[in-house]
Amino acid sequence: NAGVMQNPRHLVRRRGQEARLRCSPMKGHSHVYWYRQLPEEGLKFMVYLQKENIIDESGMPKERFSAEFPKEGPSILRIQQVVRGDSAAYFCASSERGWNTDTQYFGPGTRLTVL
Amino acid sequence: AQKVTQAQTEISVVEKEDVTLDCVYETRDTTYYLFWYKQPPSGELVFLIRRNSFDEQNEISGRYSWNFQKSTSSFNFTITASQVVDSAVYFCALSEALSQGNLIFGKGTKLSVKP
Repeated sequence: NAGVMQNPRHLVRRRGQEARLRCSPMKGHSHVYWYRQLPEEGLKFMVYLQKENIIDESGMPKERFSAEFPKEGPSILRIQQVVRGDSAAYFCASSERGWNTDTQYFGPGTRLTVL
Repeated sequence: AQKVTQAQTEISVVEKEDVTLDCVYETRDTTYYLFWYKQPPSGELVFLIRRNSFDEQNEISGRYSWNFQKSTSSFNFTITASQVVDSAVYFCALSEALSQGNLIFGKGTKLSVKP
């Protein structure tokens, strides 16, 4: 039973480029969450998606960041025109049923470095 | 406002010592869930335990035990007879009934177990 998969594990971008982070949830899970971890900090919630729907994006920066979870394929977190402050670890989690009754299982994370 | 505080930033112990990691939370909800996750040096997040607000029974799993005290809004984690492999950052997290399921994390406690 494969866990949550994220790729790439490490991503280096120059300022102004686009970053695309992918997340495949655990088998049978249809709820995906994205979190960001800045150095020496805890994780901060960004967005919660179900298939083809954004449920809660209250933690997403208003500009340059977007997320999707299409009917087929992985969830994508897209960061346009990256800046140095976007350097962080981005974690994806998935759950079976959603809401706070469910445990979220995390992927290994994508470490984004912006030069 | 909802908040999770892990006052201990770093703890260092010698192998076989017992160690307790503190977690204090704030919430207005009467229904909520508390979690502990482990982040080893490799970087992934490993789920350890979930506890709902109506279940104040302490839990033991091998060398790990958790003490949930609603009266003091604390959910502390004890490792008995610590081992070098326990070295990691440990995060406490809160999920509220009225949220969409997003987790609120503390800043983490870095535990170093020395041989």
